[in-house]
Amino acid sequence: QQQVKQSPQSLIVQKGGISIINCAYENTAFDYFPWYQQFPGKGPALLIAIRPDVSEKKEGRFTISFNKSAKQFSLHIMDSQPGDSATYFCAARGDYKLSFGAGTTVTVRA
Amino acid sequence: DAGITQSPRHKVTETGTPVTLRCHQTENHRYMYWYRQDPGHGLRLIHYSYGVKDTDKGEVSDGYSVSRSKTEDFLLTLESATSSQTSVYFCAISAINPNTGELFFGEGSRLTVL
Repeated sequence: QQQVKQSPQSLIVQKGGISIINCAYENTAFDYFPWYQQFPGKGPALLIAIRPDVSEKKEGRFTISFNKSAKQFSLHIMDSQPGDSATYFCAARGDYKLSFGAGTTVTVRA
Repeated sequence: DAGITQSPRHKVTETGTPVTLRCHQTENHRYMYWYRQDPGHGLRLIHYSYGVKDTDKGEVSDGYSVSRSKTEDFLLTLESATSSQTSVYFCAISAINPNTGELFFGEGSRLTVL
Protein backbone atom coordinates (compact mmCIF):
# COMPACT_ATOMS: atom_id res chain seq x y z
CA GLN A 1 0.00 0.00 0.00
CA GLN A 2 1.01 3.59 -0.51
CA GLN A 3 3.08 4.88 2.40
CA VAL A 4 2.10 8.48 1.69
CA LYS A 5 -1.56 9.35 1.14
CA GLN A 6 -2.28 12.47 -0.89
CA SER A 7 -5.48 14.42 -1.48
CA PRO A 8 -7.28 15.71 -3.43
CA GLN A 9 -6.69 13.87 -6.70
CA SER A 10 -7.37 17.06 -8.63
CA LEU A 11 -8.39 20.64 -8.02
CA ILE A 12 -9.35 23.69 -10.03
CA VAL A 13 -8.58 27.17 -8.76
CA GLN A 14 -9.07 30.63 -10.16
CA LYS A 15 -6.08 32.80 -10.96
CA GLY A 16 -5.02 34.54 -7.77
CA GLY A 17 -6.60 31.93 -5.54
CA ILE A 18 -5.02 29.51 -3.06
CA SER A 19 -4.37 25.84 -3.83
CA ILE A 20 -4.02 23.44 -0.91
CA ILE A 21 -2.79 19.86 -1.18
CA ASN A 22 -2.64 17.53 1.81
CA CYS A 23 -0.51 14.50 2.58
CA ALA A 24 -0.37 12.03 5.46
CA TYR A 25 2.15 9.37 6.41
CA GLU A 26 2.56 6.62 9.00
CA ASN A 27 6.27 5.86 9.10
CA THR A 28 7.83 8.00 11.85
CA ALA A 29 11.31 7.15 10.51
CA PHE A 30 10.78 9.41 7.49
CA ASP A 31 13.31 12.26 7.73
CA TYR A 32 12.71 14.50 4.73
CA PHE A 33 9.51 15.64 3.02
CA PRO A 34 9.80 17.12 -0.47
CA TRP A 35 7.21 18.27 -2.95
CA TYR A 36 7.74 17.69 -6.65
CA GLN A 37 6.12 19.50 -9.58
CA GLN A 38 5.59 17.78 -12.91
CA PHE A 39 4.55 19.27 -16.25
CA PRO A 40 3.12 17.07 -19.03
CA GLY A 41 5.81 15.10 -20.84
CA LYS A 42 8.49 15.99 -18.30
CA GLY A 43 10.03 14.34 -15.27
CA PRO A 44 9.16 15.60 -11.78
CA ALA A 45 11.31 18.41 -10.39
CA LEU A 46 11.87 19.41 -6.79
CA LEU A 47 9.70 22.36 -5.78
CA ILE A 48 10.23 22.74 -2.03
CA ALA A 49 11.13 20.48 0.88
CA ILE A 50 11.00 20.42 4.66
CA ARG A 51 12.62 18.48 7.49
CA PRO A 52 10.49 17.20 10.39
CA ASP A 53 12.06 19.57 12.94
CA VAL A 54 10.51 22.58 11.14
CA SER A 55 6.79 23.42 11.18
CA GLU A 56 6.69 25.69 8.15
CA LYS A 57 8.83 26.58 5.16
CA LYS A 58 8.08 29.26 2.60
CA GLU A 59 9.67 29.85 -0.78
CA GLY A 60 8.03 32.57 -2.79
CA ARG A 61 4.37 31.68 -3.31
CA PHE A 62 4.84 28.10 -2.09
CA THR A 63 4.57 27.12 1.58
CA ILE A 64 4.86 23.74 3.30
CA SER A 65 3.09 23.31 6.63
CA PHE A 66 4.24 20.33 8.69
CA ASN A 67 2.46 18.77 11.67
CA LYS A 68 4.71 16.11 13.15
CA SER A 69 2.30 14.94 15.84
CA ALA A 70 -0.49 14.43 13.31
CA LYS A 71 1.91 12.99 10.71
CA GLN A 72 0.53 15.35 8.10
CA PHE A 73 1.97 17.98 5.81
CA SER A 74 0.51 20.24 3.19
CA LEU A 75 1.46 22.46 0.27
CA HIS A 76 -0.12 25.88 -0.13
CA ILE A 77 0.20 27.71 -3.42
CA MET A 78 -0.65 31.36 -2.91
CA ASP A 79 -1.75 33.71 -5.69
CA SER A 80 -2.05 30.75 -8.08
CA GLN A 81 -1.03 31.46 -11.66
CA PRO A 82 -1.82 29.63 -14.93
CA GLY A 83 1.84 28.58 -15.08
CA ASP A 84 1.32 26.64 -11.83
CA SER A 85 -0.98 24.22 -13.67
CA ALA A 86 0.81 20.92 -13.18
CA THR A 87 0.75 17.70 -11.20
CA TYR A 88 2.15 17.92 -7.67
CA PHE A 89 3.53 14.99 -5.70
CA CYS A 90 4.32 14.90 -2.02
CA ALA A 91 6.97 12.46 -0.90
CA ALA A 92 8.73 11.19 2.19
CA ARG A 93 12.24 9.80 2.52
CA GLY A 94 13.32 6.77 4.49
CA ASP A 95 16.42 4.59 4.00
CA TYR A 96 17.61 6.80 1.12
CA LYS A 97 14.42 6.11 -0.83
CA LEU A 98 11.51 8.40 -1.60
CA SER A 99 7.92 7.19 -1.30
CA PHE A 100 5.51 9.31 -3.31
CA GLY A 101 1.87 10.21 -2.95
CA ALA A 102 -0.52 9.51 -5.82
CA GLY A 103 -0.35 13.09 -7.12
CA THR A 104 -2.68 16.07 -7.43
CA THR A 105 -3.43 17.69 -10.76
CA VAL A 106 -3.84 21.43 -10.29
CA THR A 107 -5.58 23.51 -12.95
CA VAL A 108 -5.47 27.28 -12.63
CA ARG A 109 -8.19 29.07 -14.60
CA ALA A 110 -7.29 32.49 -15.98
CA ASP B 1 19.35 20.43 -15.68
CA ALA B 2 20.89 17.32 -14.22
CA GLY B 3 22.67 15.22 -16.83
CA ILE B 4 20.31 12.26 -17.11
CA THR B 5 19.46 10.58 -20.39
CA GLN B 6 16.89 7.84 -20.74
CA SER B 7 16.62 5.62 -23.81
CA PRO B 8 14.52 4.77 -25.60
CA ARG B 9 12.02 7.56 -24.91
CA HIS B 10 9.19 5.63 -26.51
CA LYS B 11 8.80 1.92 -27.18
CA VAL B 12 5.98 -0.33 -28.30
CA THR B 13 6.49 -4.04 -27.85
CA GLU B 14 4.52 -7.24 -27.69
CA THR B 15 3.69 -9.39 -24.70
CA GLY B 16 6.42 -11.88 -23.91
CA THR B 17 9.31 -9.97 -25.47
CA PRO B 18 12.30 -8.75 -23.44
CA VAL B 19 12.78 -5.01 -23.02
CA THR B 20 15.73 -3.04 -21.66
CA LEU B 21 15.56 0.61 -20.68
CA ARG B 22 18.76 2.54 -20.16
CA CYS B 23 19.55 5.40 -17.84
CA HIS B 24 22.79 7.31 -18.30
CA GLN B 25 24.04 10.04 -15.95
CA THR B 26 26.94 12.47 -16.22
CA GLU B 27 26.77 13.68 -12.59
CA ASN B 28 28.74 10.85 -10.97
CA HIS B 29 25.99 10.45 -8.37
CA ARG B 30 26.09 7.34 -6.25
CA TYR B 31 22.38 6.57 -6.06
CA MET B 32 20.19 5.72 -9.05
CA TYR B 33 16.54 4.72 -9.09
CA TRP B 34 13.90 3.37 -11.44
CA TYR B 35 10.30 4.44 -10.86
CA ARG B 36 7.14 3.74 -12.80
CA GLN B 37 4.33 6.25 -13.04
CA ASP B 38 0.72 5.19 -13.44
CA PRO B 39 -2.49 7.22 -13.04
CA GLY B 40 -3.78 7.03 -9.48
CA HIS B 41 -0.56 5.51 -8.16
CA GLY B 42 1.94 8.32 -8.43
CA LEU B 43 5.54 7.19 -8.69
CA ARG B 44 6.40 3.74 -7.41
CA LEU B 45 9.93 2.52 -6.85
CA ILE B 46 10.94 -0.54 -8.87
CA HIS B 47 14.64 -0.96 -8.06
CA TYR B 48 17.47 1.23 -6.91
CA SER B 49 21.25 1.17 -6.80
CA TYR B 50 23.60 2.54 -4.17
CA GLY B 51 26.79 1.85 -6.09
CA VAL B 52 28.32 -0.20 -8.89
CA LYS B 53 26.92 -3.73 -8.71
CA ASP B 54 24.95 -2.79 -5.57
CA THR B 55 21.21 -2.91 -6.16
CA ASP B 56 18.08 -3.57 -4.15
CA LYS B 57 14.36 -4.04 -4.70
CA GLY B 58 11.71 -1.39 -4.39
CA GLU B 59 7.99 -1.79 -3.76
CA VAL B 60 7.04 -3.09 -7.25
CA SER B 61 10.05 -5.15 -8.33
CA ASP B 62 8.29 -8.32 -9.56
CA GLY B 63 8.95 -8.88 -13.27
CA TYR B 64 11.88 -6.47 -13.37
CA SER B 65 15.63 -6.81 -13.01
CA VAL B 66 18.39 -4.20 -12.99
CA SER B 67 22.11 -3.99 -13.50
CA ARG B 68 24.73 -1.36 -12.81
CA SER B 69 28.18 -2.21 -14.14
CA LYS B 70 29.36 1.42 -14.29
CA THR B 71 28.59 4.45 -12.12
CA GLU B 72 26.96 6.24 -15.03
CA ASP B 73 24.64 3.52 -16.35
CA PHE B 74 21.63 1.83 -14.74
CA LEU B 75 19.67 -0.66 -16.85
CA LEU B 76 16.12 -1.83 -16.24
CA THR B 77 15.11 -5.11 -17.89
CA LEU B 78 11.70 -6.63 -18.34
CA GLU B 79 12.53 -10.27 -19.06
CA SER B 80 9.11 -11.03 -20.54
CA ALA B 81 6.95 -7.94 -20.90
CA THR B 82 3.28 -8.05 -19.87
CA SER B 83 0.47 -5.59 -20.53
CA SER B 84 0.49 -4.62 -16.84
CA GLN B 85 3.98 -3.21 -17.41
CA THR B 86 2.66 -0.58 -19.80
CA SER B 87 3.71 2.59 -18.04
CA VAL B 88 5.98 5.59 -18.04
CA TYR B 89 9.33 4.76 -16.51
CA PHE B 90 11.48 7.38 -14.84
CA CYS B 91 15.10 7.15 -13.88
CA ALA B 92 16.32 9.34 -11.03
CA ILE B 93 19.67 10.08 -9.45
CA SER B 94 20.71 11.45 -6.09
CA ALA B 95 23.85 12.37 -4.25
CA ILE B 96 21.95 11.88 -0.98
CA ASN B 97 23.03 15.19 0.40
CA PRO B 98 21.96 15.00 4.06
CA ASN B 99 20.57 18.50 3.81
CA THR B 100 18.53 18.10 0.66
CA GLY B 101 18.29 14.49 -0.46
CA GLU B 102 17.04 15.80 -3.79
CA LEU B 103 16.20 13.38 -6.59
CA PHE B 104 16.82 14.50 -10.17
CA PHE B 105 14.58 12.82 -12.72
CA GLY B 106 15.06 12.01 -16.37
CA GLU B 107 12.43 12.82 -18.98
CA GLY B 108 10.86 9.37 -18.87
CA SER B 109 10.48 6.35 -21.15
CA ARG B 110 6.96 5.53 -22.29
CA LEU B 111 6.52 1.77 -22.75
CA THR B 112 3.47 0.20 -24.34
CA VAL B 113 3.08 -3.58 -24.19
CA LEU B 114 0.49 -4.91 -26.62
